[in-house]
This record gives sequence, structure tokens and C-alpha cells, in this order.
Amino acid sequence: GQQVMQIPQYQHVQEGEDFTTYCNSSTTLSNIQWYKQRPGGHPVFLIQLVKSGEVKKQKRLTFQFGEAKKNSSLHITATQTTDVGTYFCAGPYGSGNTGKLIFGQGTTLQVKP
Amino acid sequence: DTEVTQTPKHLVMGMTNKKSLKCEQHMGHRAMYWYKQKAKKPPELMFVYSYEKLSINESVPSRFSPECPNSSLLNLHLHALQPEDSALYLCASSQVGGNYGYTFGSGTRLTVV
Repeated sequence: GQQVMQIPQYQHVQEGEDFTTYCNSSTTLSNIQWYKQRPGGHPVFLIQLVKSGEVKKQKRLTFQFGEAKKNSSLHITATQTTDVGTYFCAGPYGSGNTGKLIFGQGTTLQVKP
Repeated sequence: DTEVTQTPKHLVMGMTNKKSLKCEQHMGHRAMYWYKQKAKKPPELMFVYSYEKLSINESVPSRFSPECPNSSLLNLHLHALQPEDSALYLCASSQVGGNYGYTFGSGTRLTVV
């Protein structure tokens, strides 16, 4: 079945270091979405990428969608303690018209001050 | 602040109880979802409503019964649950088709005793 895989599962960094999480889909995606879930919180939508090779930035966060639209990455420059949480990528299931998303397993980021 | 409101935030229920989870959104979205999330796992889709009609049931046991009274409200009726059903239950809404991201509520943390 369709799968979205995400690595690493956990990442511990010192504050100020960079962080990257990678997402790979078993199928070509019409779009990919990224969510952040703080400890004890709920997922919060960060961004959606749609175009092949697309790169979007949000302050210290850089999101990329691969040329084949099967992989994506989230890079955080100079992490801060506010970046702590679990980052999920998610892609539409099947043709993408159902609203159903397939989530990656998530990458949990810990930042040491 | 979230524009998808879930009540209650916490719920403890016995295996013979009947309870309901409630979700309300004022985003103008016509798709609403119930997700279940276990600790350290991604959200797992349960139900999708599009235009107030059930469009996806992910083979969820009948002890979970969804209801969508109108375009703003979504309920999840619970009956005869098992301890393994203890989890965070998340409601979400989006444009139909899921594009442009989901808005999640803060969730109901359910414990079945």
C-alpha cells in the first residue's frame, strides 16, 4: 500500500545547530504538507508544497519538494528551544481528491539550550 | 488559538459508558475528520465527512459512531469502548479534498478504564 516514510525518528541538537528531516513517498504526490506538533499539543499546519522542485521558506524553516514529487525535506537553521516538537510530513492518499492524508511517522526534535 | 474547538479536553469513561466527543469549526470548511493518535505515533484517520456526508470510514469498529449534524459540527459517539481505545482523538477540518492543509482541534484525551 501507499506509504510515507520519514527519517530520522528522533534528533537531539544543541541550540543553534541546524536540523533536517526527510520524507519519502512510495508514490508520486500531488502535494506534500508539513505539520508541527508540540509536546502535549495538536498538529499545526505549517505549509503545503505543490510544484516539482519547489522551495519555500518561513523564517528559519526551508521546505523542499523533490523533482519527482516523491520526496521532501524540512530544514531548520539555527534551532531554538521553541522548535521542539514532532514534525510530520503528509501526502494525499491515492488520487488526492478524498481528503485522506497519509502521514509519515514523524521526526521528534529535542533542542538542548 | 485554534478555530476548531473540541470538547471535552479530557474524558475518563468506563467500558460500559456512553459518551460523545464534540467538534465545532468556524473556518467555512466543508470537510471534517476524526483522527485517533496514540503516543509517539502519527494521527490515524478514522472518518471523513464531505458536505456533511460520510465519505470515508477506515473500517472503524461500530463502538465508534460519527455524526455530522451540520457543516460546522461533528460528533463522535462512543459506546462499550475497550482500554486499548485510550488515545488522543483529534477533529480536523479542511477544504474538500484536503488541499491547503487541515486545521486540527486541540483534541480530547480519552482514557477508558
